[in-house]
Amino acid sequence: GENVEQHPSTLSVQEGDSAVIKCTYSDSASNYFPWYKQELGKGPQLIIDIRSNVGEKKDQRIAVTLNKTAKHFSLHITETQPEDSAVYFCAASNPSNYQLIWGAGTKLIIKP
Amino acid sequence: DAMVIQNPRYQVTQFGKPVTLSCSQTLNHNVMYWYQQKSSQAPKLLFHYYDKDFNNEADTPDNFQSRRPNTSFCFLDIRSPGLGDAAMYLCATRGLSETQYFGPGTRLLVL
Repeated sequence: GENVEQHPSTLSVQEGDSAVIKCTYSDSASNYFPWYKQELGKGPQLIIDIRSNVGEKKDQRIAVTLNKTAKHFSLHITETQPEDSAVYFCAASNPSNYQLIWGAGTKLIIKP
Repeated sequence: DAMVIQNPRYQVTQFGKPVTLSCSQTLNHNVMYWYQQKSSQAPKLLFHYYDKDFNNEADTPDNFQSRRPNTSFCFLDIRSPGLGDAAMYLCATRGLSETQYFGPGTRLLVL
């Protein structure tokens, strides 16, 4: 079955710097890759997603890149701010049933 | 404007005492999911409904059951909560696309 690996597990960056979180997946048939941000005590919030017919997608300070050949995708956050501190999860969608296969999560810490 | 609503946000129950968590949605999505999440781990799918069709994950304990009386509402019943069932319970919905939308979660504490 599909497996999603996410790195790093913890990322600490200085406010204003960029943060990059990477994920790899195993099922080449996967075609939808969302990223969720989860703040303490809250539910996951979709922040950006990408489909396999696109290599890059950007929304203000957040971007996602997808390399289908290598089966990896990455989240890029530029000009980080304190409110970016959270746990970020990547996921891959099983194309047969649309169930999400989750990465283990990355705790992002923004240092003032 | 809340789209996926979960009540209560915090629930305290006693060991072995049945508890029900509720989820409602204003998105008119035909798929609803229940996840269990422990200690910042990834959410773990318990079951989902496609309209009224119930789909149970193979490793979901029999202690967990669900009801979906209509499109808008879905309930998670834990028949005899154990200490290991203390967790955040997340409800999510999906429409025609692959995107899942999550509620704020219910934090369950078992005493």
